[in-house]
Amino acid sequence: GENVEQHPSTLSVQEGDSAVIKCTYSDSASNYFPWYKQELGKRPQLIIDIRSNVGEKKDQRIAVTLNKTAKHFSLHITETQPEDSAVYLCAASPSGGSNYKLTFGKGTLLTVNP
Amino acid sequence: GAVVSQHPSWVICKSGTSVKIECRSLDFQATTMFWYRQFPKQSLMLMATSNEGSKATYEQGVEKDKFLINHASLTLSTLTVTSAHPEDSSFYICSASSGQGYTFGSGTRLTVV
Repeated sequence: GENVEQHPSTLSVQEGDSAVIKCTYSDSASNYFPWYKQELGKRPQLIIDIRSNVGEKKDQRIAVTLNKTAKHFSLHITETQPEDSAVYLCAASPSGGSNYKLTFGKGTLLTVNP
Repeated sequence: GAVVSQHPSWVICKSGTSVKIECRSLDFQATTMFWYRQFPKQSLMLMATSNEGSKATYEQGVEKDKFLINHASLTLSTLTVTSAHPEDSSFYICSASSGQGYTFGSGTRLTVV
């Protein structure tokens, strides 16, 4: 089955700096890669996703890049703010929006220091 | 957007009792619902995939007789933790795919005392 590795497990940055979180996956059949932000005790919130026919996607301060050959994808957050502090989860699935399960990475605790 | 309602949000039960958690898709039909468990400071671990009208598919290592899943309609899936023990204390969360992506319930914090 799919295996998703996520690094780093914790990341601390100063407000205004950029943060980068990386994930690798094992199943070449995976073609949907969402990123979630999860605050303590709450549900994961989708912040951005990418499909395998696209190499990069951007939404304001957040961007995701995908290298299908190397089987890795990354989340980039620019101009970080204290409210960006949370756990970020990457995931992979053979087909997003369908009935295929998501496999999650272990998460990254991002702390943005004012 | 697609909404999944999960209840209860938290529950405390005595060891040996059973607890039922419900997830309802409010504005779409969920033929498949995913049930996750999350321990403190850990990621989401898939427990099982429930399919409307058929038996759930459990992940390796998950006891199907302990975690009973029922998906009797296109809008409701339930997870029953039977004979709960303190080690079952965890955050349980459901998810369904709606065609717009995956939508999560708000989660249930289960504490077994």
